[in-house]
Amino acid sequence: EDKVVQSPLSLVVHEGDTVTLNCSYEVTNFRSLLWYKQEKKAPTFLFMLTSSGIEKKSGRLSSILDKKELFSILNITATQTGDSAVYLCSVTGTASKLTFGTGTRLQVTL
Amino acid sequence: DGGITQSPKYLFRKEGQNVTLSCEQNLNHDAMYWYRQDPGQGLRLIYYSQIVNDFQKGDIAEGYSVSREKKESFPLTVTSAQKNPTAFYLCASSTPALRGGASYQPQHFGDGTRLSIL
Repeated sequence: EDKVVQSPLSLVVHEGDTVTLNCSYEVTNFRSLLWYKQEKKAPTFLFMLTSSGIEKKSGRLSSILDKKELFSILNITATQTGDSAVYLCSVTGTASKLTFGTGTRLQVTL
Repeated sequence: DGGITQSPKYLFRKEGQNVTLSCEQNLNHDAMYWYRQDPGQGLRLIYYSQIVNDFQKGDIAEGYSVSREKKESFPLTVTSAQKNPTAFYLCASSTPALRGGASYQPQHFGDGTRLSIL
């Protein structure tokens, strides 16, 4: 059975801090790892990673995948209150479906 | 604008009652999915469909049923057999990346339906 573990479960930081969110996984025939941001309702897509060692970057957010060690990290630099959300990591394998982790709840305070 | 529409936003179910959650998409996506999210937990897959008139059970299908008669629509029925239906339900769609229906394209989500027991 595919499995995704995210850490930490929750995190409180001050505005301007840099945070690193972790995602480890076990999946049969890995295809991709996806990160989502969920604020109140619908998760919104952040990154899709398929190859090891290639950093994806969007503004203050970046992510990288290590397929040998089976994990990914999501970095957020210079955090803002608008970054407060639950960040979800998911993987796809042989089965045509995403398996999600429980998410990391990030709270950015002033 | 293209997107996924879920309705209703809030739904209440009486004991022994079946209820149906609607999910419609105009993104021309082949694949559609239903997830359940409980407080403090991630998304768990209930059912998914790669193509019209075909669907597969996910990890927690017991007590639920679906149909896929049209590409745009994937309704979820929460039956009376589902003893703990209170949760946030999310519908998603995506374009299969590979022939055979294996999808690893980013999934687009609806705004969800919150179901509660009366």
